[in-house]
Amino acid sequence: GAVVSQHPSWVICKSGTSVKIECRSLDFQATTMFWYRQFPKQSLMLMATSNEGSKATYEQGVEKDKFLINHASLTLSTLTVTSAHPEDSSFYICSNSGLAIDEQFFGPGTRLTVL
Amino acid sequence: QKEVEQNSGPLSVPEGAIASLNCTYSDRGSQSFFWYRQYSGKSPELIMFIYSNGDKEDGRFTAQLNKASQYVSLLIRDSQPSDSATYLCAVNGGSYKLIFGSGTRLLVRP
Repeated sequence: GAVVSQHPSWVICKSGTSVKIECRSLDFQATTMFWYRQFPKQSLMLMATSNEGSKATYEQGVEKDKFLINHASLTLSTLTVTSAHPEDSSFYICSNSGLAIDEQFFGPGTRLTVL
Repeated sequence: QKEVEQNSGPLSVPEGAIASLNCTYSDRGSQSFFWYRQYSGKSPELIMFIYSNGDKEDGRFTAQLNKASQYVSLLIRDSQPSDSATYLCAVNGGSYKLIFGSGTRLLVRP
């Protein structure tokens, strides 16, 4: 399957700061990538669909001005959590699609802790 | 609202037994179904996908799909302690989005 990397794997930041998370598709040119969030003992919730060269599509209830997504190339999508607060602490995971667009491969995830 | 339901478990089985994990979905129009395994603190990894009614086998894993009953299951034969994880059922929710169930925690006792 497609290989996806994320950086950083974990980050701790102070409330009010911004954090950028990178998601790279290592062996596959991904025109579409997905960003998920997972709170402890809960399932994955899709936050947004990142489209190369165009604006991201956000799910209902996700603030687009708070979670900035940039997909400037076929191998890199970034998620920036702006003015992070403790309630944003979560496990953020990106994915890309394989040969079948709805077959998704996940990155290793980024654990964000906001103090 | 499209939903995917799973029993949270834990489902406890002895080593060598068959583990049966179940999932129901609400959208009758769903076409693609996925099983992911997630170890604690890790991201999900794809185990199997199934598109057609019936069974699909891959090694010790068998996925079963019944679209009439809106039911997907995953059987794990010869369960091993290393299979202990949370198993997530996912359904295509349109526009290539995946809708995940809350997962079933499986414990395989040595």
